[in-house]
Amino acid sequence: DGGITQSPKYLFRKEGQNVTLSCEQNLNHDAMYWYRQDPGQGLRLIYYSQIVNDFQKGDIAEGYSVSREKKESFPLTVTSAQKNPTAFYLCASSRQGDNYGYTFGSGTRLTVV
Amino acid sequence: AQSVTQLDSQVPVFEEAPVELRCNYSSSVSVYLFWYVQYPNQGLQLLLKYLSGSTLVESINGFEAEFNKSQTSFHLRKPSVHISDTAEYFCAVTPTGGFKTIFGAGTRLFVKA
Repeated sequence: DGGITQSPKYLFRKEGQNVTLSCEQNLNHDAMYWYRQDPGQGLRLIYYSQIVNDFQKGDIAEGYSVSREKKESFPLTVTSAQKNPTAFYLCASSRQGDNYGYTFGSGTRLTVV
Repeated sequence: AQSVTQLDSQVPVFEEAPVELRCNYSSSVSVYLFWYVQYPNQGLQLLLKYLSGSTLVESINGFEAEFNKSQTSFHLRKPSVHISDTAEYFCAVTPTGGFKTIFGAGTRLFVKA
């Protein structure tokens, strides 16, 4: 079955550490996205990519970095510059045109310890 | 720019009762409209969408939403809810011809026995 796989499901980060969240899709979608979800705040866009080797900052990109070396993969690195990284992170993908809606992964819950 | 307002953060309702989750949006251009559902610790799933044509759209599990252009609303309704409908529901808009989707803050539906 086609879909998006996010790993790990739970991740713990120590202060000052960089961590990388994985997102892989086999839907042949061109566009991929990373969202951060905090209680009561809905989804906030971190980064998005419309094609391979190209990506754009979203609304809250500070302290995060991404790469898009393959169509199927869009990993997110949470750097030590992100001061409040504890959140639920969601990866999504869509076909071009964006009017078909998004397909989401099952999320990664990141906690700072 | 677009914005989405979900008027209720939480909606408690008894099983088999009707429910309406309200969504209003603001946009200077035409938009596509979506409702997503999120079950605990999972990603979002597309519930239904309005692209064009009939203003009333339906999902396979009994939800429906009506696009009202004059009131810039896209409220979600179900005539009789089940315990299994307990989840968080997100309204979202995408400008036609655009790319980025804007999500509302979510409405938590809690169905009581």
